[in-house]
Amino acid sequence: NAGVTQTPKFQVLKTGQSMTLQCAQDMNHNSMYWYRQDPGMGLRLIYYSASEGTTDKGEVPNGYNVSRLNKREFSLRLESAAPSQTSVYFCASSNDRGYGYTFGSGTRLTVV
Amino acid sequence: GENVEQHPSTLSVQEGDSAVIKCTYSDSASNYFPWYKQELGKRPQLIIDIRSNVGEKKDQRIAVTLNKTAKHFSLHITETQPEDSAVYFCAAYNYGQNFVFGPGTRLSVLP
Repeated sequence: NAGVTQTPKFQVLKTGQSMTLQCAQDMNHNSMYWYRQDPGMGLRLIYYSASEGTTDKGEVPNGYNVSRLNKREFSLRLESAAPSQTSVYFCASSNDRGYGYTFGSGTRLTVV
Repeated sequence: GENVEQHPSTLSVQEGDSAVIKCTYSDSASNYFPWYKQELGKRPQLIIDIRSNVGEKKDQRIAVTLNKTAKHFSLHITETQPEDSAVYFCAAYNYGQNFVFGPGTRLSVLP
């Protein structure tokens, strides 16, 4: 039982490049989330998906897109990376009642 | 929407002392309140949680108390140890809404 798996763990991008962060969960959770965490800061919600086929913006969605590919997978795409998107990105999932809220191990992204 | 405040932002205690972190929330409909511990370079991990029908919950050296009337909840760590040093996040959740996290408290346990 792996929980929430994120790939890659580290990534360096040049300004303007694109990339997709992958997230998969094996806990049969309906809800999935993407957060960013800047140094010394809290967790800011980028996008979330309450169920397969639905996605909604969170607090800081600009510059990002998401896809809920199926119940297990929720990807985050940066179309044109900017230095301001340098951060640690966490994926998370939970059941409908918020219980079992589990984070992935994170992706450390640097945009130069 | 829900707003969660957390105090203090940093906390230093001597090993063996107790530590208390307090959170307040704004939405009286919130009914689930977890606490997460994040060690340096690692993911946040759930350490304890409480539901709105319970006033207190303990797990060894960790306890959480909830005051629904005042809309605040607290994390209590007794007999602190160096491995308790981390950032702690509280959160509030209401069914059908999203988790709202507090800004975090950096706890340092000094030997």
